Order: sequence, then structure tokens, then C-alpha cells
Amino acid sequence: GQQLNQSPQSMFIQEGEDVSMNCTSSSIFNTWLWYKQDPGEGPVLLIALYKAGELTSNGRLTAQFGITRKDSFLNISASIPSDVGIYFCAGRPSGTYKYIFGTGTRLKVLA
Amino acid sequence: DAGVIQSPRHEVTEMGQEVTLRCKPISGHDYLFWYRQTMMRGLELLIYFNNNVPIDDSGMPEDRFSAKMPNASFSTLKIQPSEPRDSAVYFCASSQTPRSYEQYFGPGTRLTVT
Repeated sequence: GQQLNQSPQSMFIQEGEDVSMNCTSSSIFNTWLWYKQDPGEGPVLLIALYKAGELTSNGRLTAQFGITRKDSFLNISASIPSDVGIYFCAGRPSGTYKYIFGTGTRLKVLA
Repeated sequence: DAGVIQSPRHEVTEMGQEVTLRCKPISGHDYLFWYRQTMMRGLELLIYFNNNVPIDDSGMPEDRFSAKMPNASFSTLKIQPSEPRDSAVYFCASSQTPRSYEQYFGPGTRLTVT
């Protein structure tokens, strides 16, 4: 199936550092979602974005809906060990509930 | 509040056997989605329902797969007969109008077909 390009694929960071990741598409989307998935669990919804240029925060997480509507960004500030996991973006084209998911960014935090 | 509930959490079966996965959406949610996750293909939408009615089943891989939603609090995904290539993690997700684009996932069922 189709997947969105997500980068980086994986990253090791020190506790306390800020993290940035992004998702890009060749198609325009009307909604972007960001999820975090821990091993053996389902994805947990972190942030939903509905408008181009929208910037939304959820605690230490901030996500943005790209102006071109073809990309989205997630930032995590002051990372902590429990931020470890795989982060997925998901984009929704107009007129459908079928999200296209990103390939995931695996985050590892070094204490 | 209880989230999406799925059962079983793990299923191991032999090729050719029938497999039934179960899902209870979040109470009050009117959309229900079935996904499959594999390393090669990531998360793929199989089918979704709105108010218990199947809306789009274009992601169902073949006739061996079927899904039903007999009422607002229960759905099943059935594979008959199962094949080794069906091995994957199957997720159920639900959402609620008017924020129906925000999908909440269950813990998944890890299916292994030997």
C-alpha cells in the first residue's frame, strides 16, 4: 500500500534535547494526524491538524500543517525517556476517511 | 473511559482455519475502521463502517476476508480460510461525528498463521 515519506527513519537523542520529524507527500491532504506507537500496542493519537499553516500543541509536542498541504512537522521539546517509540503521521485526502500513513520515525532517548 | 477493545490479543492458527477477530468501539462512536499492519506495507485500511453500515471495503484483500457490524458496539473481521501471508497485526479504530476524522485505535490482535 501507499505510504508517506517520513524522516528521519530513526534517531537517537539525549534526554532533554528537542526532536523534529516530518512527513512529506506528493498529494494534498485535508487532515494530518500524528500518532505514537509503543511495542505491542496500538497507535495513540497525539495531535490532529485541519488547516494549512495550523500550529497545534499538546504538552511538549507541537505539530504543524504545512502551507503547501503536502507536508507536516512534529516537534518534541525537552525529550524524556518515555518519549521512546515509533511516531507515525497520517494524511487524509479530501472526500475520504482513508488515511495514508507514514513509514514511521523510531525515536530512542538516551538517559 | 474505556478505549477500543479488541479480542483476542494474540491468535495462532493453522493455515486453512477460520479466524474471527472482535472489536468493541468506544461508546458513542459512529465510525469503525479495520486496519492491518505489517512491516512491509505499514498500516492499511481494510474496511470502515458508519452507523453499522459498511461504507468502503476496497481495502479488503480478497474474498477470504469479511467484516460485519451487527450493532453499534460490536464488529468482527473474519478470515476464511486463513493463509500464512495473513499474518499481521490487525487494529480496530473508532471515531465520532463531528470529529470523525480523529481515529482512536485499539491495542490490536497479533495474528500468526502457520
